[in-house]
Amino acid sequence: GESVGLHLPTLSVQEGDNSIINCAYSNSASDYFIWYKQESGKGPQFIIDIRSNMDKRQGQRVTVLLNKTVKHLSLQIAATQPGDSAVYFCAENYSGNTPLVFGKGTRLSVIA
Amino acid sequence: EAQVTQNPRYLITVTGKKLTVTCSQNMNHEYMSWYRQDPGLGLRQIYYSMNVEVTDKGDVPEGYKVSRKEKRNFPLILESPSPNQTSLYFCASSLSHSGGEFFGPGTRLTVL
Repeated sequence: GESVGLHLPTLSVQEGDNSIINCAYSNSASDYFIWYKQESGKGPQFIIDIRSNMDKRQGQRVTVLLNKTVKHLSLQIAATQPGDSAVYFCAENYSGNTPLVFGKGTRLSVIA
Repeated sequence: EAQVTQNPRYLITVTGKKLTVTCSQNMNHEYMSWYRQDPGLGLRQIYYSMNVEVTDKGDVPEGYKVSRKEKRNFPLILESPSPNQTSLYFCASSLSHSGGEFFGPGTRLTVL
C-alpha cells in the first residue's frame, strides 16, 4: 500500500461505534471547509463540505461540525464500518483568492 | 463517468531525464491543480490553473512546470527531475477554485 499514512495520528474504533475526527484550522478568514477520505492506493475522495455561515451539516452517516470561535472542525461518522478505514483530511479555503489548504490527516482504523 | 485521469500511474526514472505526467478531466471544470503527497507532510499544492492559459504557483512550485492550453488537460512537467521529487502526485479539478476538488488516482514517481 501507499506510504502516505506514516507519521499520522491514528484513531481506532470498534465496528458499529461512532467516530469523531478532529481538525484545527489556521486561517480565521477561511470560509469554506471540506473533509476528504483517502483509501490506500487511491486519491482523496470528497465526503462533505460546509461553509462558514453554518455550524453543522449532515450527510449520509456523516456530520461535519464547525466551531469558528476556536477554529475547529470535526467529522462524525455514525455506525463506523470496516469500509470507513482510511486517512481523513480536512481542507480549508478562503473564497477570496486562495486554493485549498489541507491538514496533515488522521488515520481511522476500524476494528471488526 | 465523471473522472480525472492521470498517466502514467507509476514511473521510475533517472535524475535529469525530462518527463511529463498528463492529467485530463471530463467535467468541464475551470479549476485544475497538481499536488504532491509525502509522508508527514500531507498534500502540498504545486501549481494551479483558474482557467485556460491561466496558471499560478502553489506552495511548492520549484522544479515543476505546467501548461493549460485546453480546458480539459493540465500536464505537469519536470524538466530535470531530482531525487527529492520522488513522491505521489495527484491532479485535481473543480468547478471553481473555492469548491471541492475531484482527485485523480495518483502517479507514483521515483527519481533515482
